[in-house]
Amino acid sequence: GENVEQHPSTLSVQEGDSAVIKCTYSDSASNYFPWYKQELGKGPQLIIDIRSNVGEKKDQRIAVTLNKTAKHFSLHITETQPEDSAVYFCAASRQTSYDKVIFGPGTSLSVIP
Amino acid sequence: ETGVTQSPTHLIKTRGQQVTLRCSSQSGHNTVSWYQQALGQGPQFIFQYYREEENGRGNFPPRFSGLQFPNYSSELNVNALELDDSALYLCASSWGQEGEQYFGPGTRLTVT
Repeated sequence: GENVEQHPSTLSVQEGDSAVIKCTYSDSASNYFPWYKQELGKGPQLIIDIRSNVGEKKDQRIAVTLNKTAKHFSLHITETQPEDSAVYFCAASRQTSYDKVIFGPGTSLSVIP
Repeated sequence: ETGVTQSPTHLIKTRGQQVTLRCSSQSGHNTVSWYQQALGQGPQFIFQYYREEENGRGNFPPRFSGLQFPNYSSELNVNALELDDSALYLCASSWGQEGEQYFGPGTRLTVT
């Protein structure tokens, strides 16, 4: 069945360094790729998303890239801060039907002050 | 504008019992989706309700059922609880089936 893989499962970086999380998906019909941040005791929060007609999108310190041919997409966080520490989830879906949304297993990011 | 709220926050049930979880969607949103998040895993889609009708379902058995009310709030019902049903249950609301989803804080269900 459809699957989203995510690496690494845990990531520890020094404050100010960059963090990169990579995902791959199997459903070639996926056309919407959101990224979520989940802090302890809270629900996931959408931080950035990208659609299949775009290769890269940036929002301040956060950027996402998408390679549809290889079915890869990545999250890049620059100038990391302690408040970036959380679990990050990538997801892939056919945006017209949420019954196909598939989440990755998550990456626990720790930013060390 | 109020966010997505869920109740209760925590719940402990015994295997075989039934449970009802509740979700109030964000103001102006007409679509609610439910997810199950096991410990250390990503959320898994259970089903979505749009205008009071089920609109898409994930790989969950029929003992997982739901309702959406005219005010767009929603309930998730689980019958014949099993130990593996222990998880965080999240609801997310959106405007329309394709809109950005806003998640609630979840209900932590423990089945003993």
